Amino acid sequence: AQSVTQLGSHVSVSEGALVLLRCNYSSSVPPYLFWYVQYPNQGLQLLLKYTTGATLVKGINGFEAEFKKSETSFHLTKPSAHMSDAAEYFCAVSDLSRTSGTYKYIFGTGTRLKVLA
Amino acid sequence: DAGITQSPRYKITETGRQVTLMCHQTWSHSYMFWYRQDLGHGLRLIYYSAAADITDKGEVPDGYVVSRSKTENFPLTLESATRSQTSVYFCASSESNRQPQHFGDGTRLSIL
Repeated sequence: AQSVTQLGSHVSVSEGALVLLRCNYSSSVPPYLFWYVQYPNQGLQLLLKYTTGATLVKGINGFEAEFKKSETSFHLTKPSAHMSDAAEYFCAVSDLSRTSGTYKYIFGTGTRLKVLA
Repeated sequence: DAGITQSPRYKITETGRQVTLMCHQTWSHSYMFWYRQDLGHGLRLIYYSAAADITDKGEVPDGYVVSRSKTENFPLTLESATRSQTSVYFCASSESNRQPQHFGDGTRLSIL
C-alpha cells in the first residue's frame, strides 16, 4: 500500500541552524513527491515537487529536497532557519494504486517546525 | 485573480442542522478535493472529484455529501451536523492526481 511517513511531529531548531524534515514513502511505481507548507489560518502551499530527472529539487524560500530511491526518502532541508519558517510542513506522494489502477494523492501527517531565537 | 475560494471562512451551527460549505476555483482544474484537518490526524480526504458529475469517496466520507454539476464549484454538505464534524475544512484543486494541489484558506466549522 502507498504511504507517507513523516518522522517527528514536532521539530525545533535555532535560528540560523540547519532545518531537516524527514519524509519516507512506499510506492509501487516511481512516485511523484511534494512538500507543502501551512502557515497559521491558511491553506497548504506548494514548496517544491519531484517528478522525474534531477533528484535534488529546489523550492521556494530556500528549501530543497533530495529524492533517494534506495532509501525511499524525500527529506526537506534548508541551510539556515529563519523565524518566518515556523509553520507546519507536509510531505505528499502521488502513486499508482494497484487496486484501482488510478493515481492516488497521499499526505503525510505533518511536522510542525518551531524556530527558536 | 485566478484562485480557489472557500466560503464561509467561519461557521457556527447546531447539531442536526444542515450546513453547506462552498468551494470555487477559477483555473478550470479537473480535480477537486475536500479535506478535514484535525489535531493529531493531519489531513483526511473526505471526497474528491475527477471531473464534473464524477465524485468518489475518500478516507472519511460518512455524514458528508458532495456534488459537482459545474467544473468550478464543489460544495460539501453536512446533512445533519454532529459535534464530531467540528473541524477545519479545506478545499483543493489540481489539473490531475499527479500535479500539485492548490488549497483554499479553509472553513473553520464549529458544531455546538
